[in-house]
Amino acid sequence: QKEVEQNSGPLSVPEGAIASLNCTYSDRGSQSFFWYRQYSGKSPELIMFIYSNGDKEDGRFTAQLNKASQYVSLLIRDSQPSDSATYLCAVLDNAGNMLTFGGGTRLMVKP
Amino acid sequence: DTAVSQTPKYLVTQMGNDKSIKCEQNLGHDTMYWYKQDSKKFLKTMFIYSNKEPILNETVPNRFSPDSPDKVHLNLHINSLELGDSAVYFCASSKDREYEQYFGPGTRLTVT
Repeated sequence: QKEVEQNSGPLSVPEGAIASLNCTYSDRGSQSFFWYRQYSGKSPELIMFIYSNGDKEDGRFTAQLNKASQYVSLLIRDSQPSDSATYLCAVLDNAGNMLTFGGGTRLMVKP
Repeated sequence: DTAVSQTPKYLVTQMGNDKSIKCEQNLGHDTMYWYKQDSKKFLKTMFIYSNKEPILNETVPNRFSPDSPDKVHLNLHINSLELGDSAVYFCASSKDREYEQYFGPGTRLTVT
């Protein structure tokens, strides 16, 4: 069974710090990886996607992918209280059909 | 303009009833999805439709039946509702299966 694992948290960081969110996956053939943010009572919202090994930066967000280690991470620089949410890692299976979501990491940014 | 919309937003019903949730997307996407998010917040794929055709039924009971009259709509019909069906159901769409998905606002279903 394909699995995506995340530490449920909460991960608490002070405002202005770097938040580091991690995710591991079991399907070695996976090619596409996504990070979604979900505020309480709201729907998941796409933050970033990454397909290639290495880093991908978008504003304050950096996604990192290491396929050899089956590891993907999301860094949030200059964390703001508005970043407080649950962050979901999602992995597309190698058939390109189905997203498997991790259980999410709850991030709390304290002013 | 709402990209992916769902109705109703809340649904409270009794065990044994039949209910439907409607989903519509105006993004011009070809692929649509239904997800279930339980109380522990795990999001699980239920169905995937591509160009109105079913691609995946991820071990969902037969009581759940989607229908896609066109590429814009993917509705979810649930028969003989059970307590365990209580959850938030999300509809989503994407340009194609390999691309990022955009989620609707969700329908919170409560079965009493």
